Amino acid sequence: AQRVTQPEKLLSVFKGAPVELKCNYSYSGSPELFWYVQYSRQRLQLLLRHISRESIKGFTADLNKGETSFHLKKPFAQEEDSAMYYCALRGSQGNLIFGKGTKLSVKP
Amino acid sequence: DAGVTQSPTHLIKTRGQHVTLRCSPISGHKSVSWYQQVLGQGPQFIFQYYEKEERGRGNFPDRFSARQFPNYSSELNVNALLLGDSALYLCASSLADGGASLYEQYFGPGTRLTVT
Repeated sequence: AQRVTQPEKLLSVFKGAPVELKCNYSYSGSPELFWYVQYSRQRLQLLLRHISRESIKGFTADLNKGETSFHLKKPFAQEEDSAMYYCALRGSQGNLIFGKGTKLSVKP
Repeated sequence: DAGVTQSPTHLIKTRGQHVTLRCSPISGHKSVSWYQQVLGQGPQFIFQYYEKEERGRGNFPDRFSARQFPNYSSELNVNALLLGDSALYLCASSLADGGASLYEQYFGPGTRLTVT
């Protein structure tokens, strides 16, 4: 089965604290994973993808095939990071399979 | 470029009715995908079209259908609406079909469908 699990519905941290948004996946074969973000009143947009191995807005994510995880991390959260975050897996039809999302709230 | 556009923004329909949702991709993009996002859930794949042909279909009943036009815009049709069809319907476009993994999907703002 192809599936993405985000165990936390809501994650609340204070500004400057580290952030880790968890994502686990189920996929037979070589997975391709993404993090999408939706800021308030904006459309869903790509944050980063594992094949690029890049850091966007201070966020990084490493694919761990042994643990089938792709957790999103940022060492120091900012208030503007508050948003809905979705982990996604490219499915066998080329479609995206999304998790249920985690709402990140960064308090001042 | 305004990005992916969708119309209408909001729609209220009654059970049993039919609805058509429209999507215009980013200029130059030949692939359009449709997703359904129910409140509290992540988007769920419905269809993908590339060069006017269906390239993928999610686990949705035959009441859902779609097509892509020569200008690459797309329509999603839903017949015999049920209360459970109430959701945000998202359209995404990309330069190529799903086989080209390097191409990013760009999402539209969605159409909010309410079935009463």
